[in-house]
Amino acid sequence: DAKTTQPNSMESNEEEPVHLPCNHSTISGTDYIHWYRQLPSQGPEYVIHGLTSNVNNRMASLAIAEDRKSSTLILHRATLRDAAVYYCSHSGSARQLTFGSGTQLTVLP
Amino acid sequence: DVKVTQSSRYLVKRTGEKVFLECVQDMDHENMFWYRQDPGLGLRLIYFSYDVKMKEKGDIPEGYSVSREKKERFSLILESASTNQTSMYLCASSLSGTGGSPLHFGNGTRLTVT
Repeated sequence: DAKTTQPNSMESNEEEPVHLPCNHSTISGTDYIHWYRQLPSQGPEYVIHGLTSNVNNRMASLAIAEDRKSSTLILHRATLRDAAVYYCSHSGSARQLTFGSGTQLTVLP
Repeated sequence: DVKVTQSSRYLVKRTGEKVFLECVQDMDHENMFWYRQDPGLGLRLIYFSYDVKMKEKGDIPEGYSVSREKKERFSLILESASTNQTSMYLCASSLSGTGGSPLHFGNGTRLTVT
């Protein structure tokens, strides 16, 4: 199973950028890095994923370290609706994606 | 956008009852998954299916079975519900089984077994 390490919690001010870190200690060469988030009383929501290069989509950016042992999810301008638990994972197959405790992001108005 | 729909948001069942949790996805995805989520334990995979009528055990299959008769529908069955199966159940789908295929989740069914 994927072994990832994330801070338990982070805070950000509204409309400021947020950088959420993740260490991927057991990542292998063919594993994709995934990020999901979960709002209260909802299922996890896919945010972004990538293999080696940095990735951007409408929700966020994903920065992947050159050795792929770490990644950073970047929310460019945090809003109150971004307050959620953020999970990172890595896997070579959808079946093996695992979700640990995640990072609770609090956005302050 | 992919839509994964779970039939119930909340269910209350009695010990020993047979419970059916239904999940439907509308994007012709090959793979479907059932997880349970408990505080402090994260998401744990119960079963998954990579094709119609095909299924594989996940990490915690004991006490559960599944059915996939149609591509879009994946059912989780608790043959005889027990109180330790009180949990949030999450269904997910993915286009393929590769690591580059993201999971799309439903909003969950919170099951209470009394």
